[in-house]
Amino acid sequence: GNSVTQMEGPVTLSEEAFLTINCTYTATGYPSLFWYVQYPGEGLQLLLKATKADDKGSNKGFEATYRKETTSFHLEKGSVQVSDSAVYFCALSPNSGGGADGLTFGKGTHLIIQP
Amino acid sequence: GAVVSQHPSWVICKSGTSVKIECRSLDFQATTMFWYRQFPKQSLMLMATSNEGSKATYEQGVEKDKFLINHASLTLSTLTVTSAHPEDSSFYICSAPRGQKGYGYTFGSGTRLTVV
Repeated sequence: GNSVTQMEGPVTLSEEAFLTINCTYTATGYPSLFWYVQYPGEGLQLLLKATKADDKGSNKGFEATYRKETTSFHLEKGSVQVSDSAVYFCALSPNSGGGADGLTFGKGTHLIIQP
Repeated sequence: GAVVSQHPSWVICKSGTSVKIECRSLDFQATTMFWYRQFPKQSLMLMATSNEGSKATYEQGVEKDKFLINHASLTLSTLTVTSAHPEDSSFYICSAPRGQKGYGYTFGSGTRLTVV
């Protein structure tokens, strides 16, 4: 079956540090890949997505590239802010994300940014 | 746009009682709703998929008689935890496709269920 593995947290960084949260996946076919963010007390929000190999998703300074050869979708940001503190989930949909299937999630990575 | 409103945000109930969780799509029609459960420090796990006007599809290992799902309209899906037990205590989240293919999903804010 499908699975998503992401680095365990918490990850603690200082403001303006470079961020990488690793995510690898196992899936058949051509999945779509997502990063969701959950701020304290709020629901999950889509951060970025990529639907095919070599696509780069980007939003709010975050980016991730769909690497089929390494089955990875690592999340990066060049300079983090305190407001980026949240839990980040990597997820996949087994097709183009059209909604016929639910998502498979990683366990989530709690990111803490210190001023 | 594409907001899913989930209620209640938290609930405490006695063992043996039933609890209903509602998810409403506020500004779009949700023909499909996914229901997830998240245990502490664990991933969200898909429980079931509901489709408007038809029976829900449950993932392996999820008891359909315990987790009753109703999706009677294009804007409302409900999950009822029947005869709740402490091991049902968890965070339940609903999600609906955002419409355009490949555009992702909208999530409710979740319901924290505690069974005492």
